[in-house]
Amino acid sequence: GAGVSQSPSNKVTEKGKDVELRCDPISGHTALYWYRQSLGQGLEFLIYFQGNSAPDKSGLPSDRFSAERTGGSVSTLTIQRTQQEDSAVYLCASSLGQGPGELFFGEGSRLTVL
Amino acid sequence: GESVGLHLPTLSVQEGDNSIINCAYSNSASDYFIWYKQESGKGPQFIIDIRSNMDKRQGQRVTVLLNKTVKHLSLQIAATQPGDSAVYFCANAGGTSYGKLTFGQGTILTVHP
Repeated sequence: GAGVSQSPSNKVTEKGKDVELRCDPISGHTALYWYRQSLGQGLEFLIYFQGNSAPDKSGLPSDRFSAERTGGSVSTLTIQRTQQEDSAVYLCASSLGQGPGELFFGEGSRLTVL
Repeated sequence: GESVGLHLPTLSVQEGDNSIINCAYSNSASDYFIWYKQESGKGPQFIIDIRSNMDKRQGQRVTVLLNKTVKHLSLQIAATQPGDSAVYFCANAGGTSYGKLTFGQGTILTVHP
C-alpha cells in the first residue's frame, strides 16, 4: 500500500482480555517498529524488527506484551491480560533500513481498556 | 536515564510569524536528531533531521539547529501558517539502532489566523 496500515483503528476491551493489533508496513521496508503513545505524552519505544535479525524487545513494558513479524512483512502486537494502564495509542512505523532515516508512521490503533 | 525534553509545552503564534520550538536532550552518545509533526488523530509525520556532525540544516520553511555543547535542539518554522498547528516532537537516537528513538513530550503549536 501507499503507507503504513494499522488495524483496528479503535479497540475497546475489558480488563483481563487479550488483544491483537496489526501492522502492515510499506512494501520493501525491512525495518518495523512499535511505539506506544499515552494521552498527551510523547512516544515510547516498544520493539523493533530489522530483516531476519532477532528483534530488539528492550522497550516492552512487561511479559504480557509480545510481537511477531511474519514473512518479514506484517506484524502483530499482542497484549495479554490487558490492564487499564495499557490504554494508549499503539503506533507502528517502518523504514527502509536500520540506518538513520525517516520512520513512516501509521495512524495508530487506539486501545481503551475498561 | 536517557531523556529528551521540551522547554515549552505550548506555543501560540500569529499567522506569518516565525516559530521556534526548543528541545533538550541528555544522551551525549546521540548522533541523530529528528523532528516530527503530529496532527490530531494521525501518526507522526517527518519534518527534518540532522546528524551530529552538523549544527544547522534547512528544509522548506523549516530549519533545525543543533548545539551539542549544551545538548539543545531547536526547530524554526518561517512564516507560520494555520496548517502548521500541531504537536511537534523532537527525538534522538544513536549507536546501532536508529529506529529506537527517544521522544520528547511534545510542544503544542497553535497558529492564529
